[in-house]
Amino acid sequence: DQQVKQNSPSLSVQEGRISILNCDYTNSMFDYFLWYKKYPAEGPTFLISISSIKDKNEDGRFTVFLNKSAKHLSLHIVPSQPGDSAVYFCAASGSMYSGGGADGLTFGKGTHLIIQP
Amino acid sequence: GAGVSQSPSNKVTEKGKDVELRCDPISGHTALYWYRQRLGQGLEFLIYFQGNSAPDKSGLPSDRFSAERTGESVSTLTIQRTQQEDSAVYLCASSLVRSANEQFFGPGTRLTVL
Repeated sequence: DQQVKQNSPSLSVQEGRISILNCDYTNSMFDYFLWYKKYPAEGPTFLISISSIKDKNEDGRFTVFLNKSAKHLSLHIVPSQPGDSAVYFCAASGSMYSGGGADGLTFGKGTHLIIQP
Repeated sequence: GAGVSQSPSNKVTEKGKDVELRCDPISGHTALYWYRQRLGQGLEFLIYFQGNSAPDKSGLPSDRFSAERTGESVSTLTIQRTQQEDSAVYLCASSLVRSANEQFFGPGTRLTVL
């Protein structure tokens, strides 16, 4: 059973608008969450993270929101740019310092974001 | 400096053959991770190394899978008697310390088992 779920396989957004990518998790032991971005034929690259003690973390055009009671997080990109077109993976960990411990990071299936000109 | 590199980038093999996948982490990174991504799936954690030791191998899918790391550097993931379900992209990541958000990924090895 998937512990990290990204229910939208793809999302199309017009350039300049806000992109909102959603992620749900089921394991209440997760306390650190990350977003990775992946271009074709490349490995994922770290984008932004949030600890469970926070409900928001912002870095430039990227903001991650965490709703612990709903076990839901979202990534907002504003304004969206053509270079943002990629697959975005949500990932969760049992601890910021453990690399997820013996279980590593638990990833969702990804959402393919397409920014239209 | 150079990022994480993996070789080969693509590997096509016949069912039943053994394959060896290589990962060169970023120099000085003590932690190394292997993940697998099957078509349409998320990344599946396989194993991690702290130095040359793998404390927990329970994430490996079967006993046909093994991994080792030497010199706190290069790691190899070996799959014996490959099966079609082993077809996937195998990704390696490394981090300076055992930290969740500082994992740097390589480009992956795409394995196809015919």
